[in-house]
Amino acid sequence: DTAVSQTPKYLVTQMGNDKSIKCEQNLGHDTMYWYKQDSKKFLKIMFSYNNKELIINETVPNRFSPKSPDKAHLNLHINSLELGDSAVYFCASSTLAGLYNEQFFGPGTRLTVL
Amino acid sequence: GENVEQHPSTLSVQEGDSAVIKCTYSDSASNYFPWYKQELGKRPQLIIDIRSNVGEKKDQRIAVTLNKTAKHFSLHITETQPEDSAVYFCAAMGGGSNYKLTFGKGTLLTVNP
Repeated sequence: DTAVSQTPKYLVTQMGNDKSIKCEQNLGHDTMYWYKQDSKKFLKIMFSYNNKELIINETVPNRFSPKSPDKAHLNLHINSLELGDSAVYFCASSTLAGLYNEQFFGPGTRLTVL
Repeated sequence: GENVEQHPSTLSVQEGDSAVIKCTYSDSASNYFPWYKQELGKRPQLIIDIRSNVGEKKDQRIAVTLNKTAKHFSLHITETQPEDSAVYFCAAMGGGSNYKLTFGKGTLLTVNP
């Protein structure tokens, strides 16, 4: 299946732990994104990479560190997890070529920090 | 930076009625305006989009209008069906080169049978 995939789908962890979320796309896109959706459903961009280069870095605590080993993968590592980090994290991808910039979202990772 | 306001936050209609969701944006350089539908527990999915050189676009029962002068755009859904029930997000892409999408806060649409 051509898609954006994320692992894990659910992540439950204790405060202070370090965790990672992985994202992969096989759509041939050159740009990938991380979004955070909070309990009020607000979708906010966190990071974006274009061909492994960071192009968007919103005001996110430096406990969050994205890493793009190649243009098909964008992982998110979170250090010292806090209660406020609980949210659904969506990965997305798009192509910057041409007129259309549709972003394709992954299924989301629901992170619960206890 | 870009700021996108979306109204209403909740909308309840009877099946067969029309639904309209409105958004305003602040950055006059924004040039791409997509609408995403998110069903409960699912990922956001694009349903329609419009570029700044077009005033209106229609795809079957959904249409989007854009008024660049007033910096607002709207989603129109006609002949609503229960499966249209979801959260709808508008978004605007800034005119810079970083292709950043700023989303509105979403509208929970409920279509009552």
